[in-house]
Amino acid sequence: DAGVTQSPTHLIKTRGQHVTLRCSPISGHKSVSWYQQVLGQGPQFIFQYYEKEERGRGNFPDRFSARQFPNYSSELNVNALLLGDSALYLCASSLTPVGGYGYTFGSGTRLTVV
Amino acid sequence: AQRVTQPEKLLSVFKGAPVELKCNYSYSGSPELFWYVQYSRQRLQLLLRHISRESIKGFTADLNKGETSFHLKKPFAQEEDSAMYYCALTPSGQAGTALIFGKGTTLSVSS
Repeated sequence: DAGVTQSPTHLIKTRGQHVTLRCSPISGHKSVSWYQQVLGQGPQFIFQYYEKEERGRGNFPDRFSARQFPNYSSELNVNALLLGDSALYLCASSLTPVGGYGYTFGSGTRLTVV
Repeated sequence: AQRVTQPEKLLSVFKGAPVELKCNYSYSGSPELFWYVQYSRQRLQLLLRHISRESIKGFTADLNKGETSFHLKKPFAQEEDSAMYYCALTPSGQAGTALIFGKGTTLSVSS
């Protein structure tokens, strides 16, 4: 099993652009969550999807959106990028949307906005 | 408000010394508590969760609901324990809820 895979690993964008980040969960995992980790901070919750439906949303502006596909992979989209969006974006998968079993994290996508 | 506090940004100990990484939480309901670890150049991974009451790599953590704490302990630190440690909580049994992380503590074990 390849684990949780994220792409790309790094990217650089200009302010105002939009970006799409991708995540493939562990085989059999139907829930995908997205987290933003700014340098020096713990990860912060952005979204959770389960069975292609949004099940939870963190305190992020509407510029952030996501979706989950029938194969349970997921995309995170960020529009009108700001310098403050520079961060490591983590994807985590789990069997169910109930977090008690813990999450398996991907290696993340490092986004730099210039 | 739900919050996880890790008061120490950095904890430096010598090999063989006991380790205690502190974690306090604020949550009105019944949370599930976790410790995640990130070794250098590796992904964030689950170390242990309070409901399983297991010992992983010699680490244990006991949930103290009275003190709202979930400190991580190991009697004898090893150099390979050097890593970033995050305490996290999630509401028990609720779908669609987030893991709420603390800011993390860097553990540095030297010989």
